[in-house]
Parts: sequence; C-alpha cells; structure tokens
Amino acid sequence: AQKVTQAQTEISVVEKEDVTLDCVYETRDTTYYLFWYKQPPSGELVFLIRRNSFDEQNEISGRYSWNFQKSTSSFNFTITASQVVDSAVYFCALNTGNQFYFGTGTSLTVIP
Amino acid sequence: NAGVTQTPKFRVLKTGQSMTLLCAQDMNHEYMYWYRQDPGMGLRLIHYSVGEGTTAKGEVPDGYNVSRLKKQNFLLGLESAAPSQTSVYFCASSYSVQRASSTDTQYFGPGTRLTVL
Repeated sequence: AQKVTQAQTEISVVEKEDVTLDCVYETRDTTYYLFWYKQPPSGELVFLIRRNSFDEQNEISGRYSWNFQKSTSSFNFTITASQVVDSAVYFCALNTGNQFYFGTGTSLTVIP
Repeated sequence: NAGVTQTPKFRVLKTGQSMTLLCAQDMNHEYMYWYRQDPGMGLRLIHYSVGEGTTAKGEVPDGYNVSRLKKQNFLLGLESAAPSQTSVYFCASSYSVQRASSTDTQYFGPGTRLTVL
C-alpha cells in the first residue's frame, strides 16, 4: 500500500527562522516520484518540486531545499530565513503507477 | 493558455440533488484527476482517467461518477448529493509519468467549493 505521512500538523516560526517540514512515504514500487506543493490562503495548489526515486541528489532553490533519503523513506523540505509569504499549507505527495497519494499537509505560520 | 479550469467555482445543493462539475484542460494532457479536500485529510483521489474514454476509481469513489468523452474534459457527477460530500473539489491534469520531464507535475484547477445542506 502507498502512504504519505506528514506528522507535523501545524508549525509556527518567527520570521527569518529556518524550518523543516517532514515527509515520510511508504511504497513497495521501485520507481516512484515525490512532490511538494504549497497551498497559500488563496487556496490554489502550487507545484514546488518533483523528485524521481532513482535520483537522491538533494536540491536547493533559493531559500528552499529538499533532502531525499531513500534509506529512511523521507523527503524533507527546509525553508531558510522564513518570510511571512511562506505561510501556507504544504503537501507532500507520492506518485506511483497512475495515482497520486497526498499527505495530510503541514500548516506553516510565519510570524512577523 | 488557460491551463486547468473548473466550473462552477461555488455551489450549494440540497440533499438528494444532482450536479455535474466540469474540468477542462488545454495542455493536451493524457491524465486527468478529481480530488476532494477536507480539513485535516489532505487531498484524496476520487476518480482518474488515463485517456479519452477511460476512467478508474481512486481512493474515495463512492457516490461519484465520471466521464471522459473528450481528451480535454473530465466531468464529475453527483447523482444524489449527501452532506458528507461537502468539500472542496480539485481537478488536475498531467502527462503520463513516462512522458513527463523532471519538472512536470500535475496542474491543478482553482477548485470548486461545494456545500450540501
């Protein structure tokens, strides 16, 4: 069975602090894809990153970075020097076969 | 290039009424999906389609039907609405994973907020 767990329901940080959002996935498939999406208060879903199962290289994009570790089935997301505009719900998702499986999301509040 | 559009944006139904949600995409994607989003539950897949004329059940298909008569459209129907179907519904589309590049993903519509009284 496929499953994505985001154990952190809500996180609050003060602006400029670093924050890491955890994502743990379960799958028996050897080929799969992992994603992070952002859902700001306006409600739309914004794609942040896609990672293939055969590529464990970490990625950095500006203040965002992602750490993919197959040994622990984790795909964690770090925001460096957080800003108020980062306040949103963040979803981790797993794609295997034809379906996507989403975690329950982590609500991040950045306090000015 | 409108991406993924959903009609309507808001709707209020009474228990037992029926309705159809329309999703349209102009990116020539093979795959289309319908999700529902409930507080604390994340997004759950209702039905999906891997091509014109094909549909398949997702995680929570009961009470819903879908059709994909044209590649660009994916319809979600509620035959007899129930209060438990009050939710925000998102449509998405994508290339098949095999065709997708490393930056491809599902593209989501803006959502439809449905309330069943």
